[in-house]
Amino acid sequence: DIQLTQSPSFLSASIGDRVTITCRASQAISIFLVWYQQKPGKAPNVLIYGASNLRGGVPSRFSGSGSGTEFTLTISSLQPEDFATYYCQQVYVFPRTFGQGTKVEIK
Amino acid sequence: QVQVVQSGSELKEPGASVKVSCKASGYRFNLFPLNWVRQAPGQGLEWVGWINTDTGNPTYAQGFTGRFVLSLDTSVSTAYLQINSLEADDTARYFCAREDINGALDYWGQGALVTVSS
Repeated sequence: DIQLTQSPSFLSASIGDRVTITCRASQAISIFLVWYQQKPGKAPNVLIYGASNLRGGVPSRFSGSGSGTEFTLTISSLQPEDFATYYCQQVYVFPRTFGQGTKVEIK
Repeated sequence: QVQVVQSGSELKEPGASVKVSCKASGYRFNLFPLNWVRQAPGQGLEWVGWINTDTGNPTYAQGFTGRFVLSLDTSVSTAYLQINSLEADDTARYFCAREDINGALDYWGQGALVTVSS
């Protein structure tokens, strides 16, 4: 199975900060990576697909990059509604796998 | 509009079975696979499996073979997750989600909480 390792697992940031989350795959997955945001008690929502494509309706402060084994999710200016947990998922092969999550909290 | 609606919470004793449903609407059911994802209390997302809604062919993650069964009733655009011989560690919220052409899980159900306790 392909392992996805996110770093950091937890980060504390302030409104307006630039935030970067990394997702590393145990083997190359081309650009078959999706980023999700999950708020407490809710289902996850897609932010980015194909490593760098912003889903319709997602604010442009979110961006994704990378290919192969290293990927990043960047929030250019953190807003109050962005405090949540973020997950990456590889959709290259079965079984699909998720990273362990990165919780973004208010500093 | 696309909707994915799951059945409600379940409380079961160890050793029992549970069947969670996932009803899709607002699109052609057989065009998009459905995924199942588990989230234990306070934990991350864990991929359970995937079912081809055209052929009914399921694929499972390791660790979810044997006791976990994915099935469909295409006549009512509904997918099911059955868990047999329930164990305490099965206590979790189980989500179903539609997979789009890019592989992203674009529409999610609200999740069904399964609690296993004597």
